[in-house]
Amino acid sequence: NAGVMQNPRHLVRRRGQEARLRCSPMKGHSHVYWYRQLPEEGLKFMVYLQKENIIDESGMPKERFSAEFPKEGPSILRIQQVVRGDSAAYFCASSPGTGLSDEQFFGPGTRLTVL
Amino acid sequence: AQRVTQPEKLLSVFKGAPVELKCNYSYSGSPELFWYVQYSRQRLQLLLRHISRESIKGFTADLNKGETSFHLKKPFAQEEDSAMYYCALSGSGYSTLTFGKGTMLLVSP
Repeated sequence: NAGVMQNPRHLVRRRGQEARLRCSPMKGHSHVYWYRQLPEEGLKFMVYLQKENIIDESGMPKERFSAEFPKEGPSILRIQQVVRGDSAAYFCASSPGTGLSDEQFFGPGTRLTVL
Repeated sequence: AQRVTQPEKLLSVFKGAPVELKCNYSYSGSPELFWYVQYSRQRLQLLLRHISRESIKGFTADLNKGETSFHLKKPFAQEEDSAMYYCALSGSGYSTLTFGKGTMLLVSP
């Protein structure tokens, strides 16, 4: 099992462009979580998805950010019209979804830099 | 609102010394507490969780509900313990995690 995969590992965008971050969960996992880590900060929850459903998006900024986890393919975190403040490391985690106390397995992260 | 506080940004000890990484939390219900570790150039991974009451790599952590703390301890630090440690909380009936800012542990020879 290759573990949680994220790509790209590094992404550079200019202000106003769109950023698309991808996350492939571990095999057999149906739950995906996205976290953002700003410099000198801990990871902050953004959104929790199951296949084709957003379960909790309470940590997502109201504008420009969206997430999906389609029936087929990876989960996508999309940031439209990026600004410098979006520069951060974005981590994806997955869990099997068999119970509320499932361990979350983390990907290596995508480091987004907005110029 | 739930919150996790790790008061130390950096903890530097010598090999063989005892280690205690502090974690305090704020949550109104019955939380589940975790310690995650990130070694250099590796991904974040679960070290231990309070419900399992295990000792992993010599580390232990006890949930103290009176003091709302979940400090991570190891009696004799090793150089390979050098890493970033994050305390995290999951609320009852909920699976998303709230993280502290992390403590960098440096163990010198």
